[in-house]
Amino acid sequence: DGGITQSPKYLFRKEGQNVTLSCEQNLNHDAMYWYRQDPGQGLRLIYYSQIVNDFQKGDIAEGYSVSREKKESFPLTVTSAQKNPTAFYLCASSISGGQNQPQHFGDGTRLSIL
Amino acid sequence: AQSVTQLDSHVSVSEGTPVLLRCNYSSSYSPSLFWYVQHPNKGLQLLLKYTSAATLVKGINGFEAEFKKSETSFHLTKPSAHMSDAAEYFCVVSEASGSARQLTFGSGTQLTVLP
Repeated sequence: DGGITQSPKYLFRKEGQNVTLSCEQNLNHDAMYWYRQDPGQGLRLIYYSQIVNDFQKGDIAEGYSVSREKKESFPLTVTSAQKNPTAFYLCASSISGGQNQPQHFGDGTRLSIL
Repeated sequence: AQSVTQLDSHVSVSEGTPVLLRCNYSSSYSPSLFWYVQHPNKGLQLLLKYTSAATLVKGINGFEAEFKKSETSFHLTKPSAHMSDAAEYFCVVSEASGSARQLTFGSGTQLTVLP
Protein backbone atom coordinates (compact mmCIF):
# COMPACT_ATOMS: atom_id res chain seq x y z
CA ASP A 1 0.00 0.00 0.00
CA GLY A 2 1.19 3.50 -0.77
CA GLY A 3 1.65 5.86 2.08
CA ILE A 4 3.92 7.82 4.39
CA THR A 5 6.01 6.13 7.03
CA GLN A 6 7.37 8.05 9.99
CA SER A 7 9.83 6.56 12.44
CA PRO A 8 10.29 6.17 15.27
CA LYS A 9 6.82 6.51 16.76
CA TYR A 10 8.28 7.72 20.07
CA LEU A 11 11.62 9.48 20.58
CA PHE A 12 13.39 10.85 23.61
CA ARG A 13 16.04 13.54 23.50
CA LYS A 14 18.62 14.43 26.08
CA GLU A 15 19.64 18.02 26.68
CA GLY A 16 22.12 19.25 24.09
CA GLN A 17 21.44 16.36 21.73
CA ASN A 18 20.39 16.47 18.10
CA VAL A 19 17.81 13.92 16.98
CA THR A 20 16.58 13.02 13.51
CA LEU A 21 13.04 12.04 12.61
CA SER A 22 12.55 9.90 9.53
CA CYS A 23 9.87 10.39 6.87
CA GLU A 24 9.57 8.17 3.81
CA GLN A 25 6.83 8.19 1.16
CA ASN A 26 6.12 5.81 -1.73
CA LEU A 27 3.35 7.90 -3.28
CA ASN A 28 5.66 9.45 -5.88
CA HIS A 29 4.75 12.89 -4.56
CA ASP A 30 6.94 15.88 -5.36
CA ALA A 31 6.13 17.99 -2.29
CA MET A 32 6.82 17.08 1.34
CA TYR A 33 6.21 18.93 4.60
CA TRP A 34 7.02 18.86 8.28
CA TYR A 35 4.56 20.14 10.87
CA ARG A 36 4.66 20.52 14.61
CA GLN A 37 1.51 19.93 16.67
CA ASP A 38 1.13 21.10 20.26
CA PRO A 39 -1.89 20.29 22.48
CA GLY A 40 -4.94 22.42 21.71
CA GLN A 41 -3.32 23.97 18.66
CA GLY A 42 -3.45 23.44 14.96
CA LEU A 43 -0.47 22.36 12.92
CA ARG A 44 2.40 24.76 12.33
CA LEU A 45 4.68 24.41 9.32
CA ILE A 46 8.37 23.85 10.06
CA TYR A 47 9.85 23.19 6.59
CA TYR A 48 8.61 22.17 3.19
CA SER A 49 10.13 20.92 -0.04
CA GLN A 50 8.54 21.10 -3.47
CA ILE A 51 11.32 19.27 -5.29
CA VAL A 52 14.43 17.23 -4.62
CA ASN A 53 17.44 19.25 -3.40
CA ASP A 54 15.28 22.25 -2.56
CA PHE A 55 13.44 23.20 0.62
CA GLN A 56 12.01 26.30 2.24
CA LYS A 57 11.53 27.49 5.81
CA GLY A 58 8.06 27.48 7.23
CA ASP A 59 6.69 29.56 10.08
CA ILE A 60 8.72 27.97 12.90
CA ALA A 61 11.98 26.76 11.31
CA GLU A 62 14.35 27.96 14.05
CA GLY A 63 16.11 25.06 15.75
CA TYR A 64 15.26 22.60 12.98
CA SER A 65 17.01 21.44 9.80
CA VAL A 66 16.01 19.22 6.87
CA SER A 67 17.44 17.65 3.74
CA ARG A 68 15.82 16.38 0.54
CA GLU A 69 18.39 14.25 -1.25
CA LYS A 70 15.82 11.76 -2.55
CA LYS A 71 12.25 12.22 -3.68
CA GLU A 72 11.05 9.61 -1.21
CA SER A 73 12.76 10.93 1.90
CA PHE A 74 12.55 14.14 3.93
CA PRO A 75 14.26 13.72 7.33
CA LEU A 76 13.90 16.37 10.02
CA THR A 77 16.66 17.09 12.55
CA VAL A 78 15.69 18.70 15.83
CA THR A 79 18.82 20.47 16.99
CA SER A 80 19.90 21.46 20.48
CA ALA A 81 19.02 25.03 19.51
CA GLN A 82 15.33 24.11 19.67
CA LYS A 83 14.61 24.89 23.32
CA ASN A 84 11.11 23.47 23.49
CA PRO A 85 11.12 20.41 21.25
CA THR A 86 8.47 18.37 23.07
CA ALA A 87 5.66 17.97 20.54
CA PHE A 88 4.00 15.67 18.04
CA TYR A 89 5.71 15.90 14.64
CA LEU A 90 3.81 15.14 11.46
CA CYS A 91 5.20 14.61 7.99
CA ALA A 92 3.00 15.07 4.94
CA SER A 93 3.26 14.92 1.18
CA SER A 94 1.26 16.09 -1.82
CA ILE A 95 1.42 15.52 -5.56
CA SER A 96 2.66 19.07 -5.97
CA GLY A 97 2.80 22.18 -3.83
CA GLY A 98 -0.28 23.66 -5.48
CA GLN A 99 -3.21 25.24 -3.68
CA ASN A 100 -5.75 22.53 -4.50
CA GLN A 101 -3.62 19.56 -3.62
CA PRO A 102 -4.61 17.79 -0.40
CA GLN A 103 -1.82 16.58 1.80
CA HIS A 104 -1.37 13.00 2.94
CA PHE A 105 -0.04 12.50 6.45
CA GLY A 106 2.07 9.97 8.28
CA ASP A 107 1.17 8.74 11.76
CA GLY A 108 3.60 11.07 13.48
CA THR A 109 6.53 10.94 15.88
CA ARG A 110 6.11 12.02 19.49
CA LEU A 111 9.27 13.66 20.81
CA SER A 112 9.90 14.11 24.51
CA ILE A 113 12.77 15.49 26.55
CA LEU A 114 14.51 13.33 29.15
CA ALA B 1 -3.58 37.10 4.71
CA GLN B 2 -5.70 34.08 5.41
CA SER B 3 -7.02 32.71 8.66
CA VAL B 4 -9.41 30.04 9.87
CA THR B 5 -11.49 29.93 13.05
CA GLN B 6 -13.09 26.81 14.41
CA LEU B 7 -15.83 28.17 16.57
CA ASP B 8 -16.03 25.28 19.05
CA SER B 9 -13.05 23.62 20.67
CA HIS B 10 -15.27 20.76 21.92
CA VAL B 11 -18.55 19.34 20.63
CA SER B 12 -20.46 16.53 22.28
CA VAL B 13 -23.33 14.64 20.61
CA SER B 14 -25.24 11.45 21.25
CA GLU B 15 -24.84 8.52 18.89
CA GLY B 16 -27.38 8.72 16.07
CA THR B 17 -27.87 12.51 16.32
CA PRO B 18 -26.60 15.10 13.82
CA VAL B 19 -23.10 16.54 13.95
CA LEU B 20 -22.26 20.19 13.20
CA LEU B 21 -18.67 21.44 13.38
CA ARG B 22 -18.34 25.12 12.56
CA CYS B 23 -15.57 26.79 10.60
CA ASN B 24 -15.20 30.39 9.44
CA TYR B 25 -12.40 31.54 7.22
CA SER B 26 -10.79 34.71 6.00
CA SER B 27 -9.01 34.86 2.67
CA SER B 28 -7.88 37.55 0.27
CA TYR B 29 -8.18 35.25 -2.73
CA SER B 30 -10.36 32.40 -3.87
CA PRO B 31 -9.63 29.78 -1.25
CA SER B 32 -9.52 26.05 -1.28
CA LEU B 33 -10.91 24.55 1.91
CA PHE B 34 -10.38 21.16 3.51
CA TRP B 35 -11.59 19.20 6.49
CA TYR B 36 -9.29 16.64 8.08
CA VAL B 37 -9.89 14.18 10.93
CA GLN B 38 -7.29 13.03 13.43
CA HIS B 39 -7.66 10.04 15.74
CA PRO B 40 -5.45 9.85 18.84
CA ASN B 41 -1.74 9.48 18.09
CA LYS B 42 -2.41 9.30 14.37
CA GLY B 43 -1.86 11.52 11.38
CA LEU B 44 -4.55 13.58 9.69
CA GLN B 45 -6.91 11.98 7.19
CA LEU B 46 -8.64 14.01 4.49
CA LEU B 47 -12.45 14.04 4.86
CA LEU B 48 -13.33 16.36 1.99
CA LYS B 49 -12.18 19.38 -0.01
CA TYR B 50 -13.72 22.40 -1.72
CA THR B 51 -11.93 23.78 -4.76
CA SER B 52 -14.45 26.20 -6.37
CA ALA B 53 -16.67 23.59 -7.97
CA ALA B 54 -19.96 22.59 -6.28
CA THR B 55 -20.57 24.45 -3.03
CA LEU B 56 -21.93 21.36 -1.29
CA VAL B 57 -19.09 18.89 -0.94
CA LYS B 58 -19.54 15.27 0.02
CA GLY B 59 -16.75 13.44 1.77
CA ILE B 60 -15.96 10.10 3.27
CA ASN B 61 -17.85 8.41 6.12
CA GLY B 62 -21.07 10.34 5.44
CA PHE B 63 -19.64 13.81 6.12
CA GLU B 64 -20.41 16.82 3.98
CA ALA B 65 -19.67 20.54 4.07
CA GLU B 66 -21.19 23.58 2.43
CA PHE B 67 -19.12 26.50 1.21
CA LYS B 68 -20.96 29.78 1.86
CA LYS B 69 -19.01 32.70 0.48
CA SER B 70 -21.41 35.34 1.83
CA GLU B 71 -20.94 33.98 5.35
CA THR B 72 -17.27 32.97 4.86
CA SER B 73 -18.16 29.63 6.38
CA PHE B 74 -17.40 25.99 5.65
CA HIS B 75 -19.27 24.01 8.30
CA LEU B 76 -18.94 20.22 8.50
CA THR B 77 -22.06 18.13 9.04
CA LYS B 78 -23.14 14.52 9.33
CA PRO B 79 -26.76 13.41 9.69
CA SER B 80 -26.13 10.68 12.25
CA ALA B 81 -23.08 10.37 14.50
CA HIS B 82 -21.34 7.06 15.03
CA MET B 83 -19.08 6.15 17.92
CA SER B 84 -16.18 5.84 15.50
CA ASP B 85 -16.55 9.54 14.60
CA ALA B 86 -15.07 10.55 17.96
CA ALA B 87 -11.85 12.35 17.02
CA GLU B 88 -10.38 15.80 16.44
CA TYR B 89 -11.38 17.67 13.31
CA PHE B 90 -9.39 20.39 11.56
CA CYS B 91 -10.60 22.97 9.08
CA VAL B 92 -7.86 24.11 6.69
CA VAL B 93 -7.74 26.99 4.21
CA SER B 94 -5.39 27.36 1.26
CA GLU B 95 -5.13 30.51 -0.80
CA ALA B 96 -4.85 30.85 -4.56
CA SER B 97 -1.28 32.08 -4.44
CA GLY B 98 -0.18 28.54 -5.13
CA SER B 99 2.55 28.57 -2.56
CA ALA B 100 2.93 25.51 -0.41
CA ARG B 101 3.27 27.87 2.53
CA GLN B 102 -0.25 29.20 2.20
CA LEU B 103 -1.96 26.44 4.16
CA THR B 104 -3.50 27.53 7.46
CA PHE B 105 -4.91 25.07 10.00
CA GLY B 106 -7.65 25.81 12.50
CA SER B 107 -7.02 24.96 16.13
CA GLY B 108 -9.26 21.90 15.96
CA THR B 109 -12.62 20.71 17.32
CA GLN B 110 -12.69 17.67 19.57
CA LEU B 111 -15.82 15.62 18.85
CA THR B 112 -17.15 13.35 21.59
CA VAL B 113 -19.88 10.85 20.76
CA LEU B 114 -21.94 9.64 23.70
CA PRO B 115 -23.60 6.20 23.67
